[in-house]
Amino acid sequence: QQPVQSPQAVILREGEDAVINCSSSKALYSVHWYRQKHGEAPVFLMILLKGGEQKGHEKISASFNEKKQQSSLYLTASQLSYSGTYFCGTESSNDYKLSFGAGTTVTVRA
Amino acid sequence: NAGVTQTPKFRVLKTGQSMTLLCAQDMNHEYMYWYRQDPGMGLRLIHYSVGEGTTAKGEVPDGYNVSRLKKQNFLLGLESAAPSQTSVYFCASSYIGDGETQYFGPGTRLLVL
Repeated sequence: QQPVQSPQAVILREGEDAVINCSSSKALYSVHWYRQKHGEAPVFLMILLKGGEQKGHEKISASFNEKKQQSSLYLTASQLSYSGTYFCGTESSNDYKLSFGAGTTVTVRA
Repeated sequence: NAGVTQTPKFRVLKTGQSMTLLCAQDMNHEYMYWYRQDPGMGLRLIHYSVGEGTTAKGEVPDGYNVSRLKKQNFLLGLESAAPSQTSVYFCASSYIGDGETQYFGPGTRLLVL
C-alpha cells in the first residue's frame, strides 16, 4: 500500500522553509526520499533507517518516527534548485521493496 | 561509469504489439527494479530481481514479464501492449535491497495507441 504524502504541492520564495510529510499504514524498516526534476529520473536525497541511522549527502534534513510510521523532510532556506517533485519511498521489514507516495511538487521562486 | 542506462528512450506501439525494454547497470548491483510512473500516481513497482536468474512480482505485474539472465541486465517485456500501459518506465538498481540507495535510469517513455 502506497504511503500518503502531504501537501500535494507547495510554493516557496527563496529562503523560506517547508516541511513534507510521509505517512504509512505499515510498520517500516526504512524511509527513502528522492527528488525528481521534470523529465528526469528520480535522484536520491536521503535514507532514514529504523533505529535512527541516516544516510544523505545534501543540505536537506529529515526525521523518522518509527512508532507513528511517519517521516518528514525539511527544506530549510530553500534555493531555486530545490524545485521539483519529492517522493518518499517506504520499505517494510524484510521485503526489499519500496512503495512510493504520489509526490509533493515544490516550486521555489526568486 | 555510465550508471543505469535504459533503451530505448521513447517508443510508440500499436495495441497488441510486443516490445522489450532493456536496463543495464555497471555498478555490480545485485538488486534491480522496474517501475512505471503515471501522473499523480508516483512510482509503482512492476517486477524486481534480487540476483542473476531470479525475478519477483511487484505491485503491478500484470501484462509484463521480466528476465535477468545476466547480473548487469534486466529486461522488461510487454507481450501484447495495451493503451493502459502508456507510461514512463524507470529501471533502478541497488547494491543490497534493504536500506540501500536505489539508482534510477533516465526512463523510457512509452505510448501505446
